Amino acid sequence: EAQVTQNPRYLITVTGKKLTVTCSQNMNHEYMSWYRQDPGLGLRQIYYSMNVEVTDKGDVPEGYKVSRKEKRNFPLILESPSPNQTSLYFCASSALILGYSSYNEQFFGPGTRLTVL
Amino acid sequence: GNSVTQMEGPVTLSEEAFLTINCTYTATGYPSLFWYVQYPGEGLQLLLKATKADDKGSNKGFEATYRKETTSFHLEKGSVQVSDSAVYFCALSKGGANNLFFGTGTRLTVIP
Repeated sequence: EAQVTQNPRYLITVTGKKLTVTCSQNMNHEYMSWYRQDPGLGLRQIYYSMNVEVTDKGDVPEGYKVSRKEKRNFPLILESPSPNQTSLYFCASSALILGYSSYNEQFFGPGTRLTVL
Repeated sequence: GNSVTQMEGPVTLSEEAFLTINCTYTATGYPSLFWYVQYPGEGLQLLLKATKADDKGSNKGFEATYRKETTSFHLEKGSVQVSDSAVYFCALSKGGANNLFFGTGTRLTVIP
């Protein structure tokens, strides 16, 4: 079954304790992305990756790191979490778009609800 | 820049009522437009899309038409069901790019 998986699904942690949220896809997609969802703000992109070893900042990258060492995995790292990073996080993937008028559906993981105390 | 403005929620409707959720956008060039749906406790799923002006996307009884003259992509359904209760997100991507820009989402509750 084609899917994007995230772990953990729920996490409660304390300020300053480093954590990693894993994301994996089995569709051989080049493009992967992390979003955070907050009430009244919708989804905002944190980081994205166009392929292995190629990553770039989205709209809200502060306080986050990512890596893309393998095509299937795109972990999100919070080196020193703070309460304002309490949010619902989504990973997504899609095939790369190859033409101006083409389109490729983004597939989303089930989400990770993070609480930082 | 690129942005999406969505109708404020929440929206509560009775079963079989008509649904409209407004969405307008700002973008350079010719974006592709999408509606995504998020059911309780799940990730987002693509509901429908339109990649050029005057295209109509449709799926599961939902429709939206890409109107370049009004920069709009309003979501409609003629008769909603309880199972349509979810959060609906309007989104755009610039032509030829993977990055999505989302609206704030509209929560729909359909009561029997």
